[in-house]
Amino acid sequence: DSGVTQTPKHLITATGQRVTLRCSPRSGDLSVYWYQQSLDQGLQFLIQYYNGEERAKGNILERFSAQQFPDLHSELNLSSLELGDSALYFCASSVADNSRWGPTDTQYFGPGTRLTVL
Amino acid sequence: AQKITQTQPGMFVQEKEAVTLDCTYDTSDQSYGLFWYKQPSSGEMIFLIYQGSYDEQNATEGRYSLNFQKARKSANLVISASQLGDSAMYFCAMRGGLRTSGTYKYIFGTGTRLKVLA
Repeated sequence: DSGVTQTPKHLITATGQRVTLRCSPRSGDLSVYWYQQSLDQGLQFLIQYYNGEERAKGNILERFSAQQFPDLHSELNLSSLELGDSALYFCASSVADNSRWGPTDTQYFGPGTRLTVL
Repeated sequence: AQKITQTQPGMFVQEKEAVTLDCTYDTSDQSYGLFWYKQPSSGEMIFLIYQGSYDEQNATEGRYSLNFQKARKSANLVISASQLGDSAMYFCAMRGGLRTSGTYKYIFGTGTRLKVLA
């Protein structure tokens, strides 16, 4: 158990809908990262937040948005869902804010949320 | 462009033998970090080992060691004394991109599926 929690574990929805995925980081970690893992795209970095602020951005679609709240939990919002958005969405957390290198930058992953868009 | 290449889609190893999983990377950054993660069939991502680009010693964590050859831009994972529980997908990953994009990027390889035989 990495200490990172994600809810829900599974989510089934229809095209055009909007969903929210939730992540709670490990105790003491200030950074939260979101990833999408699909069969055709592999593991793709979406976005990172550090202590409530966006810190790095990857291949995140405009239909997707995220935020980190004062209690450090994070939510990933996916809207206007398409069939191709079906994937496993991981949240990870780490201590660092990218301004330091070293083992403290190691990311610990949650169990993931499996999203199925029908 | 930042890139991680894992050329072995699948590998077999006999229990108790050592195995090397290959990873090469491409980056123009001077400072970067390299990671290995394990993903069992249950789906979670488990951090194994980290190597910083300025670390002179190869990283080791129990039965895992990272064979870091900076000039060749390779970061191979060595698992000693393989166990049946080591059967999983293994991902090599890199944190870099600051120099080229102004923000950090996290890039994962396509993975190597390892099967340990009894």
